[in-house]
Amino acid sequence: QVQLVESGGGVVQPGRSLRLSCAASGFIFNMYPMHWVRQAPGKGLEWVAMISYDGVDKYYADSVRGRFTISRDDSKNTLVLQMNGLTSEDTALYYCARDHERYSGTYNFDYWGQGTLVTVSS
Amino acid sequence: DIQMTQSPSSLSASVGDRVTITCRASQSIGTYLNWYQQKPGKTPKLLIYAASSLQSGVPSRFSGGGSGPDFTLTISSLRPEDFATYYCQQSYSPPLTFGGGTKVDI
Repeated sequence: QVQLVESGGGVVQPGRSLRLSCAASGFIFNMYPMHWVRQAPGKGLEWVAMISYDGVDKYYADSVRGRFTISRDDSKNTLVLQMNGLTSEDTALYYCARDHERYSGTYNFDYWGQGTLVTVSS
Repeated sequence: DIQMTQSPSSLSASVGDRVTITCRASQSIGTYLNWYQQKPGKTPKLLIYAASSLQSGVPSRFSGGGSGPDFTLTISSLRPEDFATYYCQQSYSPPLTFGGGTKVDI
């Protein structure tokens, strides 16, 4: 069965960095585009970033572009989000999500991890 | 960026009611519209993709419709397990965007 397990969250001071990981299993990882979606406490869903199945194409939300970097390590079936210059606005539960369709993707999300909580606070 | 507006933001309903939630995009997005259900403390679940296609395993009481800027999610007969928050999401082009959510409660 498909499993996505995020890790790397925690409490971090404003301006610092954090690196999130998502370990994927139960499917052929290098066939699927992957996404990060976040949810601030008590708020709605916000898409953060996506990476194509081959790692060539990357897209970001306006709110994180230039600060966050998405990448993938297909040898380890792992998705990564490097977050720099964190602010209190980045406090959220960060979900890793699989695209619904292989290769080209359909830019929607059929499997989600349980999330990892990032708290930015001094 | 494409803005997604859901209405209402919340609604109260009873078991057996027919419920309709609407979602409007700030520009035409064809049928690149998806619906998710999220229960408290749980991860979101894909219900409907491409505006009207039912995701595998989702009960047939859920249906989606619309195209262009205006879309609907309908629950034909509300069941107790359907009380949740529902989000629309456009998949027309990045940056991908969600609606603000509609909370369905008793």
